[in-house]
Amino acid sequence: EDKVVQSPLSLVVHEGDTVTLNCSYEVTNFRSLLWYKQEKKAPTFLFMLTSSGIEKKSGRLSSILDKKELSSILNITATQTGDSAIYLCAATGSNDYKLSFGAGTTVTVRA
Amino acid sequence: GAVVSQHPSRVICKSGTSVKIECRSLDFQATTMFWYRQFPKKSLMLMATSNEGSKATYEQGVEKDKFLINHASLTLSTLTVTSAHPEDSSFYICSARGPPSGSPSEQFFGPGTRLTVL
Repeated sequence: EDKVVQSPLSLVVHEGDTVTLNCSYEVTNFRSLLWYKQEKKAPTFLFMLTSSGIEKKSGRLSSILDKKELSSILNITATQTGDSAIYLCAATGSNDYKLSFGAGTTVTVRA
Repeated sequence: GAVVSQHPSRVICKSGTSVKIECRSLDFQATTMFWYRQFPKKSLMLMATSNEGSKATYEQGVEKDKFLINHASLTLSTLTVTSAHPEDSSFYICSARGPPSGSPSEQFFGPGTRLTVL
């Protein structure tokens, strides 16, 4: 059974801090790893990673995949209170459209 | 583009009644839609994969007769929670597999439906 584990489960930081979130996976015939941000409603897409070592960036967020270590990290620099959310990691394997989600990391950014 | 809507956003019902939740892809055709369930402070658990014109594929442990899925058109899938009980109270989210031009892994999520069974 495919498995995705995120750490930490939660963290609290102050505005301006940098945050690093971890995601590890055990997925048969791994294809891609995706990061989502979930505030009060449905998850919104952040990144999809398929190649090892290539960083993807969007503003203050960046992510990279390490296929050797079966893991990915999501970085948020210069955090703002609007970054407070649950960050979900998901992976796809043999069924390239079936997402297996991790439990999420709840990030709280204090002013 | 790639917007998915859900209706209703919130529903409260009495125990024993059935509730239908709709999921629509507004600006693209979705041959495959997914239904997830999320408990408070927990991740999304895939319940079933819904393919247009065919029977849904349910994940292990999900009761087919309890959670009826119908994907009657390329833009609409429905989830009916039959004979709902308080333990069915949850946040139900649908997603649609993106347009063919995009990645097969890409899914677009609806805003979710909060079901409360009294």
